[in-house]
Amino acid sequence: AQSVTQLGSHVSVSEGALVLLRCNYSSSVPPYLFWYVQYPNQGLQLLLKYTSAATLVKGINGFEAEFKKSETSFHLTKPSAHMSDAAEYFCAVAFSGNTPLVFGKGTRLSVIA
Amino acid sequence: KAGVTQTPRYLIKTRGQQVTLSCSPISGHRSVSWYQQTPGQGLQFLFEYFSETQRNKGNFPGRFSGRQFSNSRSEMNVSTLELGDSALYLCASSLGGTDYQPQHFGDGTRLSIL
Repeated sequence: AQSVTQLGSHVSVSEGALVLLRCNYSSSVPPYLFWYVQYPNQGLQLLLKYTSAATLVKGINGFEAEFKKSETSFHLTKPSAHMSDAAEYFCAVAFSGNTPLVFGKGTRLSVIA
Repeated sequence: KAGVTQTPRYLIKTRGQQVTLSCSPISGHRSVSWYQQTPGQGLQFLFEYFSETQRNKGNFPGRFSGRQFSNSRSEMNVSTLELGDSALYLCASSLGGTDYQPQHFGDGTRLSIL
């Protein structure tokens, strides 16, 4: 079955440190890939999307993600964490056009002062 | 441009009742999808409507149903509520069409079953 795996349900980093959130998917064909962020008591906000134009995708709030077909990965990074980055992050995949999004279980990011 | 609006934000029901949740998509968006979010199961897809027709359906029992109106607004209905239906229900809208367009989410309706 097609699936999305986020390694680590909880990641903790110091303020100013690198943020790395991992996402792997199961598919032989490059799908549509997304990262969403969810703050408490809110819905999901789109951070960035990969739709085959470029392998390195830049998103909002200084986040970026790199698509690696050979590793079936789409890891999310940010060079320097800020306190306001503390939230839950979801990797989502659409395995073909107009198919439902499949979400990973989410990674809760904590930022320590 | 207004975002996706979900009403009500909070709802408390008892077992056996039914409930209707509403979603108003972003203007111009014709696709509306519904998701259930729980701590144990995460985000699970319920169904998607496009131009008033159900285009995709997740693996939920028939107690969960939905519909979409000609103005693209959508409603989701859950009948014979069970304790396990307690969750955050999220609605997302997109342009739809043949090429994949990202979904934009509302803030959700938090449903609590007593």
